[in-house]
Amino acid sequence: DAGVIQSPRHEVTEMGQEVTLRCKPISGHNSLFWYRQTMMRGLELLIYFNNNVPIDDSGMPEDRFSAKMPNASFSTLKIQPSEPRDSAVYFCASSWGEGDEKLFFGSGTQLSVL
Amino acid sequence: RKEVEQDPGPFNVPEGATVAFNCTYSNSASQSFFWYRQDCRKEPKLLMSVYSSGNEDGRFTAQLNRASQYISLLIRDSKLSDSATYLCVVNEYNQGGKLIFGQGTELSVKP
Repeated sequence: DAGVIQSPRHEVTEMGQEVTLRCKPISGHNSLFWYRQTMMRGLELLIYFNNNVPIDDSGMPEDRFSAKMPNASFSTLKIQPSEPRDSAVYFCASSWGEGDEKLFFGSGTQLSVL
Repeated sequence: RKEVEQDPGPFNVPEGATVAFNCTYSNSASQSFFWYRQDCRKEPKLLMSVYSSGNEDGRFTAQLNRASQYISLLIRDSKLSDSATYLCVVNEYNQGGKLIFGQGTELSVKP
């Protein structure tokens, strides 16, 4: 049974470039979360969706960040333009329902912006 | 004040030791609580939920004190494989059910 699948695993880009991170949640899960993890700030919730609808995007740092979930099996997190301070591990997670506590995380995308 | 606070550690303990981690949360309306484990360079995984009456899962015991807004995790008979970062997690239902993670407590179990 496939877990949450994220791509790419690693991304190295230059400042100013557009970055797109991808996530495929576990089939049947209807909540999807994007988290960012850094040493300084730990795990921060950026945005989460329930039934493909964004419920809370208050954690999105600024307008350079956007997220979409066009269908139940796919989500993207886009950063445009990217900056060095965006360097972090970005995790996608999914769960059975809104407020369900057992999150299944993907392996994360290690983003380095030079 | 951070919503969920933990002592970052690291906690360095010998095999077989008992170690306890603490966590405090700021939102008194929080309804459910968890401990997640994160191995180095890996994703977080659910370790156990925390129930009001306290609960055990093998060598792990979780406790909740709602009055003090305090959660704890006790690990008995530590194993080398317990070395990881332990994340305290709170579900804030009054904010749409989002999970708030603490920064984590690092545990290193030595032979």
